Amino acid sequence: ETGVTQSPTHLIKTRGQQVTLRCSSQSGHNTVSWYQQALGQGPQFIFQYYREEENGRGNFPPRFSGLQFPNYSSELNVNALELDDSALYLCASSRTSGGQETQYFGPGTRLLVL
Amino acid sequence: GQNIDQPTEMTATEGAIVQINCTYQTSGFNGLFWYQQHAGEAPTFLSYNVLDGLEEKGRFSSFLSRSKGYSYLLLKELQMKDSASYLCAVRDKDGNKLVFGAGTILRVKS
Repeated sequence: ETGVTQSPTHLIKTRGQQVTLRCSSQSGHNTVSWYQQALGQGPQFIFQYYREEENGRGNFPPRFSGLQFPNYSSELNVNALELDDSALYLCASSRTSGGQETQYFGPGTRLLVL
Repeated sequence: GQNIDQPTEMTATEGAIVQINCTYQTSGFNGLFWYQQHAGEAPTFLSYNVLDGLEEKGRFSSFLSRSKGYSYLLLKELQMKDSASYLCAVRDKDGNKLVFGAGTILRVKS
């Protein structure tokens, strides 16, 4: 148990719809990172939030957006869903951005786009 | 560019020792992590190396050579529950993202 929680656990959407995924960080962690993991692949970095500001972004289009709240919980929003967005979405929290801090992952949200 | 290579699959026998290799070519380096991921579950942290050498943690050890862009994870006294995917990840120079390999699926047989 990492203390990182995500909701929902599973979700089915249709192409073109919008989705919001949620993450609660481990207590004392002010940084959250989001990753997309396709089947049989390693996680791919989407973006990171540190103290409510975006702090780095991977190669994902602008329809992937996020928020971090004062209590350090976070949301990932994806607009105009495409079939290729079907994946496991993982959030990871850490005590701070960068440095030698370990990122601890939540259980993930499995998204299926039909 | 960023490139992390690990073997796709490995099989080993219960009680044995197995070494999972990882080579990396990244534009920056700020530490290397190993995670274990059971099917359908989240990655769980195993080890972290930032300096050259061996880090030991119970049945698991991890080695790093920065000059060679190489790491390995050593698992001793294998148990059936060690059957999982093992992910090698490099933290980039800015320190705000992990770049993962595709993972090595380890199958432990009795």
